[in-house]
Amino acid sequence: DIVMTQSPDSLAVSLGERATINCKSSQSVLHSSSNKNYLAWYQQKPGQPPKLLIYWASTRESGVPDRFSGSGSGTDFTLTISSLQADDVAVYYCQQSFNTPPTFGQGTKVEIK
Amino acid sequence: QVQLVESGGGVVQPGRSLRLSCVASGFSFSSYPLHWVRQAPGKGLEWVALISFDGHGTKSYYAGSVKGRFTISRDNSRSTLYLQMSSLRVEDTAVYFCARDRAYDDAFDVWGQGTRVTVSS
Repeated sequence: DIVMTQSPDSLAVSLGERATINCKSSQSVLHSSSNKNYLAWYQQKPGQPPKLLIYWASTRESGVPDRFSGSGSGTDFTLTISSLQADDVAVYYCQQSFNTPPTFGQGTKVEIK
Repeated sequence: QVQLVESGGGVVQPGRSLRLSCVASGFSFSSYPLHWVRQAPGKGLEWVALISFDGHGTKSYYAGSVKGRFTISRDNSRSTLYLQMSSLRVEDTAVYFCARDRAYDDAFDVWGQGTRVTVSS
């Protein structure tokens, strides 16, 4: 199974500042024929199901604010919140779907400093 | 409105069985692979099972932790996904979510609200 490791486990950022979350996979999730990374990012607020933010590592889901961006390829990926808003307080998960079983990172909790 | 609604959770003793359901609406149910994902109290997301359907039949896949104990199935005529859970263990205690796999990018784009399963004596 592909192991997904996120860092840090938690971070506190001031309102309006940048938040950066890293995700590393134990093997490449880049599909050679499509040149797509099968890496998604989800946001989960307390008591709610996860919400898809980013797919293919860097494509923003429809309706997701443009302050959320994803980058990276192969085994190293980053989710950036360019200007943190109060509504962004949540746990963020990366997930690979390159292989079955799909696997999630352990989550990164984002709070307001 | 695209929606998934789970039901069937509850409190059950170790070793017993439980069946979860997930009713879909607002989209062509048979066209999508579907997953069960669980979240133990205060923990992260754990994928449980996947079922696909390609017109010739279904294929199912399981996490190692549930293989041989859980069975995923679907009834396309009822737009319903199931998870039959048997030989339940305390460590199966979690909120169980069903999720739609968008297939072209394998992202989980629609999630239900979840149903809580507690395994306790």
